[in-house]
Amino acid sequence: QVQLVESGGHVVQPGGSLTLSCAASGFIFSDYGIHWVRQAPGKGLEWVTFIETDGRQKDYADPVKGRFVISRDNSKNTLYLQMNSLRNDDTAVYYCVRRERASLSRTYYYFFDYWGQGTLVTVSS
Amino acid sequence: DIQMTQSPSSLSASVGDRVTITCRASQSISRYLNWYQQKPGKAPKLLIYAASSLQSGVPSRFSGSGSGTDFTLIISSLQPEDFATYYCQESYTTPRALTFGGGTKVEIK
Repeated sequence: QVQLVESGGHVVQPGGSLTLSCAASGFIFSDYGIHWVRQAPGKGLEWVTFIETDGRQKDYADPVKGRFVISRDNSKNTLYLQMNSLRNDDTAVYYCVRRERASLSRTYYYFFDYWGQGTLVTVSS
Repeated sequence: DIQMTQSPSSLSASVGDRVTITCRASQSISRYLNWYQQKPGKAPKLLIYAASSLQSGVPSRFSGSGSGTDFTLIISSLQPEDFATYYCQESYTTPRALTFGGGTKVEIK
C-alpha cells in the first residue's frame, strides 16, 4: 500500500536549520510530483513547496522562498526539505503529499491523494 | 494569487442533518476544486476532486458541485464520524500553489 513517512521534525532555535525527509513506498516514486504542506498549531493548511517527477521543476510559497529547498532522490524513493533561516512562524506539522491526476473529458485534474502522518517542526528559543 | 474563501468557518449540526459548506474562489477556476476532510491529529483525507468526482472509498453521502467561482460540499445525512474540519483546495494553478480555503469545522450540536 502507498505510504509516505516523514521524519526529521525537531525543536530548533530561530535562525537555525533543519532537514526533513519523506520516505515513500508502495508506488513508483519517480512517476509522481510531490508536495510539502504545513499546518501551524490550530490553523489551516498551507501549501509550501512542490517538486516535479524528475526534480527539475520546483516551486515555493512566498513565505519560504529563498529559505527552503526541496529535493528528491528517486533511487532512494525519498523526498527532502531543507529548511534554513527558520522563523517562529515556520512552526507547524509538515506533511509530505503525493499529487495524483485524473483525466475527465480530456482534461487533467490534480489533487493530493496520499498524505504522510506529518512531522512537527517547532521553532523556539 | 487565487484566494479561496470558505463559509461558514464553523457550524453545529446533529446526526442525520444535511450539511452544506461553500467555497468561493477569487477568480474563475473552472472545475479545478478539491475537498478534504481532516480529523484532529490526523492528516487530511481526499473526499472529492474536480468539483464533483467522489474519491474511491468515500461514502456517497458526500457530494460536490459547482464551477467557476462558487462550489458546494454537501453531506446528505451527517454521521458521527463526519465531525471534522473540511477544506477546499483549488488546483487551477497546478503544479504550484494549490491554495486551500480556511476550513469549516463541523461540530456536534
